[in-house]
Amino acid sequence: GQQLNQSPQSMFIQEGEDVSMNCTSSSIFNTWLWYKQDPGEGPVLLIALYKAGELTSNGRLTAQFGITRKDSFLNISASIPSDVGIYFCAGASGNQFYFGTGTSLTVIP
Amino acid sequence: EAQVTQNPRYLITVTGKKLTVTCSQNMNHEYMSWYRQDPGLGLRQIYYSMNVEVTDKGDVPEGYKVSRKEKRNFPLILESPSPNQTSLYFCASSLLTGNPYEQYFGPGTRLTVT
Repeated sequence: GQQLNQSPQSMFIQEGEDVSMNCTSSSIFNTWLWYKQDPGEGPVLLIALYKAGELTSNGRLTAQFGITRKDSFLNISASIPSDVGIYFCAGASGNQFYFGTGTSLTVIP
Repeated sequence: EAQVTQNPRYLITVTGKKLTVTCSQNMNHEYMSWYRQDPGLGLRQIYYSMNVEVTDKGDVPEGYKVSRKEKRNFPLILESPSPNQTSLYFCASSLLTGNPYEQYFGPGTRLTVT
């Protein structure tokens, strides 16, 4: 299957700091998505990107769909304790979805 | 409340004993899908369905079966479970129009095969 490389694998940051994570693929995707997963729960969609070059915000979150269609990044500004969790990128190709391996975020108060 | 439900939430079984994990959604979504989540591997798609009686293989379909006889239900069947199918399983659903990729995930089913 298609491999999505997500980095970093984990992050430990101070409350109030900005966070940046990215996802790269060897294949082109038509859609990039970013999810957050809290312990014991299913992933929840944060941002969906539908066009190459698109930059989309959702509150303190900003994500971009790379021009090459093979990458995407997610920024979180002014992190707060409830940002703790695992963040996944996902690429959609036709009706199939491929997920990255996740970035575990810890926010230290 | 709009939701995706899965049952059971936890299951311990033995090798070879057939099992079914149910998935149901109340949002009238056309698209439904099953994923497995393993440490270090993220989520991998097992099967998906575009609508009733329409199913297709995802990235890791071996050892699994699905059916879509009704729009709201999409059960995952393991005919002869093996230990390498020990995993956390998620069902998800979404519309095919509007925002087609905004999948709603269920709470997960943790399966252990001994």
